[in-house]
Amino acid sequence: DAGITQSPRYKITETGRQVTLMCHQTWSHSYMFWYRQDLGHGLRLIYYSAAADITDKGEVPDGYVVSRSKTENFPLTLESATRSQTSVYFCASSLNQETEAFFGQGTRLTVV
Amino acid sequence: GENVEQHPSTLSVQEGDSAVIKCTYSDSASNYFPWYKQELGKRPQLIIDIRSNVGEKKDQRIAVTLNKTAKHFSLHITETQPEDSAVYFCAARDSNYQLIWGAGTKLIIKP
Repeated sequence: DAGITQSPRYKITETGRQVTLMCHQTWSHSYMFWYRQDLGHGLRLIYYSAAADITDKGEVPDGYVVSRSKTENFPLTLESATRSQTSVYFCASSLNQETEAFFGQGTRLTVV
Repeated sequence: GENVEQHPSTLSVQEGDSAVIKCTYSDSASNYFPWYKQELGKRPQLIIDIRSNVGEKKDQRIAVTLNKTAKHFSLHITETQPEDSAVYFCAARDSNYQLIWGAGTKLIIKP
């Protein structure tokens, strides 16, 4: 489980500020994902990446930006945070598109 | 695109009884169906999965069944224990290889 870590675990930020959530995995998994988890919605995919320098939108990408310059890192940036982006964010990785997804511990983000 | 519906949203069962959670999916091309368990404040973790070429899979007290014709799959937990209390999520991998998730079922085990 220590193979995929997120930071910070908790973050409070103000509306309009830029904030970056970090995700690091040590397994050299090709695929990485960002989800947000809200009550009543389960897990919703924000962005995913099939390999370094390859990213694609998920179900709810608006207001978010990702990059993947290195295989092991997949940061998620909220360019101008809004209250509706208050959520728990999970990063996940998988070896390929047909194998188990492993999740990080999550980041609880509060936008005030 | 794929849509996954999960029922019930909350399930309360007596310790020792069985629990069944059901999911339906819309994309007939979906071929992989995992179940994740999420304990309070923790990350989701895979507990069992099934591929479309299999009708049933069992792992100790947990089993998953798949009906491709009806496009539904179910999680069965027998002899429930207090540590089974958690939120359970089903998912289906669609033709774009993306996992589409159900909204989750909160399972409560009553002593």
